[in-house]
Amino acid sequence: RKEVEQDPGPFNVPEGATVAFNCTYSNSASQSFFWYRQDCRKEPKLLMSVYSSGNEDGRFTAQLNRASQYISLLIRDSKLSDSATYLCVLGTSYGKLTFGQGTILTVHP
Amino acid sequence: DAGVIQSPRHEVTEMGQEVTLRCKPISGHNSLFWYRQTMMRGLELLIYFNNNVPIDDSGMPEDRFSAKMPNASFSTLKIQPSEPRDSAVYFCASSNPQGASAFFGQGTRLTVV
Repeated sequence: RKEVEQDPGPFNVPEGATVAFNCTYSNSASQSFFWYRQDCRKEPKLLMSVYSSGNEDGRFTAQLNRASQYISLLIRDSKLSDSATYLCVLGTSYGKLTFGQGTILTVHP
Repeated sequence: DAGVIQSPRHEVTEMGQEVTLRCKPISGHNSLFWYRQTMMRGLELLIYFNNNVPIDDSGMPEDRFSAKMPNASFSTLKIQPSEPRDSAVYFCASSNPQGASAFFGQGTRLTVV
């Protein structure tokens, strides 16, 4: 079983839609959690960290469920510029960062 | 802040040749990662250094791959001899403190023909 599993998509949604991505992980020793965004032919960039209490950054909301080993990302009021690949990332206490395969999102007019 | 700097940005080489990829992490970051990205396998962690010491190299595919970090501001990933299946984008990333999110370089696009 992969350490991090994501639905690869692609998700095709109209502007203004709400879309949710899920990620499950197998390593219970994971201590830090992130969502990264990667645009075509670019490097991955940090979108947001994920905290146990859940956190929000504008139109983006991240949730963590340690008991179920599950992370989610919700995007509200999708914009064309949100089109990208979204990567779920786990960190261990000794610093290793493991990436999921990514979920492709396309927002269309 | 210059960010993570990788060179070269693109490399085309013939099978059997030696390839050296270079990375300068963000100043003050003490963790450095080398990742490889392909369509089929996504982002794979090859090796991870902390304070210039290799901590986890379990992702290094085989003996043809080697990585060094002689000091806090420089790392290399070498492939010798290169093979067509090594064609991929190789990313270097750095972070501080340990366990924090990582910042990526722009990557080296390697093509082995």
